[in-house]
Order: sequence, then structure tokens, then C-alpha cells
Amino acid sequence: DIQMTQSPSSLSASVGDRVTLTCRASQSISSYLNWYQQKPGKAPKLLVSAASSLQGGVPSRFSGSGSGTDFTLTISSLQPEDFATYYCQQSYSTPLTFGPGTKVDIK
Amino acid sequence: QVQLVQSGAEVKKPGASVKVSCKTSGYIFTGYGISWVRQAPGQGLEWMGWISPYNDYTNSAQNFQGRVTMTSDTSTSTAYMELRSLKSDDTAVYYCARLGDSFCSDDICYLRGGWFDPWGQGTLVTVSS
Repeated sequence: DIQMTQSPSSLSASVGDRVTLTCRASQSISSYLNWYQQKPGKAPKLLVSAASSLQGGVPSRFSGSGSGTDFTLTISSLQPEDFATYYCQQSYSTPLTFGPGTKVDIK
Repeated sequence: QVQLVQSGAEVKKPGASVKVSCKTSGYIFTGYGISWVRQAPGQGLEWMGWISPYNDYTNSAQNFQGRVTMTSDTSTSTAYMELRSLKSDDTAVYYCARLGDSFCSDDICYLRGGWFDPWGQGTLVTVSS
């Protein structure tokens, strides 16, 4: 199974900050990497698929990059509605696996 | 718009079974796979498996093989997940989600777009004696 790790596990940031979240796969997954945002009590929401393809309706302050084993999700200017937990997920092979998440909260 | 609406919360005793439904609308049901993902309280996301409603092909995670059955009803565009022999650590919110692109060849299906979008609202299953 492909193991996914994320760093940091949590971070505190202020509105307007540039934030970079990291996801690493235990083996190369090409660009088969997806990012989700989850707010408390809600289902996850897909932000980015295939490492860098921003989903419709997702603000352009979000961007994804990377390939192989190392990936990043960047929020260029953090907004109040962005405080949430972010998960990466590999879709290179089954079982599909998620990272443990990065919780972004208010400094 | 594409919607997935799940059945309501359940409380079960250890050893029992639970069946969660996921009614879809807004797209061609047989054109996309449906996956099941669970989240224990305060924990991360765990993939359980997926079904192709096109031919009922299923692929489940090793952790759940033998205990989970995924089915679909094309007449109502509804997917189902049944989990048997429940234990207390099966207490979780269970989500269905539509998968990205897949294709089937010779009764086996493959994921081309293994992302989950959109998701159902979740069903809380509590296992307690």
C-alpha cells in the first residue's frame, strides 16, 4: 500500500498569510494526487485533482504542484473561510489512501 | 447539480450489521463509480472500497474484505454499503462519494480519475452495547 504523510500536522496562521502544505508519498505516484478541505462536521470538499488541476468554483488563491513523491498545496493569501483541515489522497493505485491531514487554525 | 444524499444515523450493537444508502441525482449513475470512505471520531479518512454501477464490479480495501458488501440499484440511482460483524471501533461517519473517471473491460473496472467529488453528507454509525 502507498503511505501518505503530511507536514506539518497543524499550523497557526493569520489572515493574509501565504501558507504551504506538504504531502509526500512512500513511492512515486506521478501526478495522481488530490487535495481536499474539510471543515468541522462537514464532508470533505475536493480542491485540486491530478496534483495541479483546480476544481471549478475553488478560489484561485489555492494552487497545487508537484509530481513523483513530493507535493504542495499553497494558499496565497489565507482567508477566514480557509481555516480547516486539509487532506491529500493518492489515486495511483488501490487501496486509495489519504494523508493524516494538516489542520490550519487562526493564530 | 450532482447530489449524493445518504440515509440517516444508525445505532447498532456489536456483532450486528448496518446498511447505508447513497441516493444520487444530477448525472448518469452508471457513468461513474461510487466510493465509500469512513472517518472515526476525531480521526482521518479511510477508504473502504468502490463499486462501478455499470456492471457492479467492486474493489474493497483489505481491512474490510469479507465484512463489507457494496451494491447498486440502477433503477433508483442508489448505492449501498453493508458492513457486518460490527465492532466498537467501526463507530464512524461513513461517506459515499462519486469517483472521477473509470472504465471497464472484460468485467474488470479501472480508475482513471480516482478523486472523490462530490461527497454525500455522511452517515454516523454508532456501535455500542
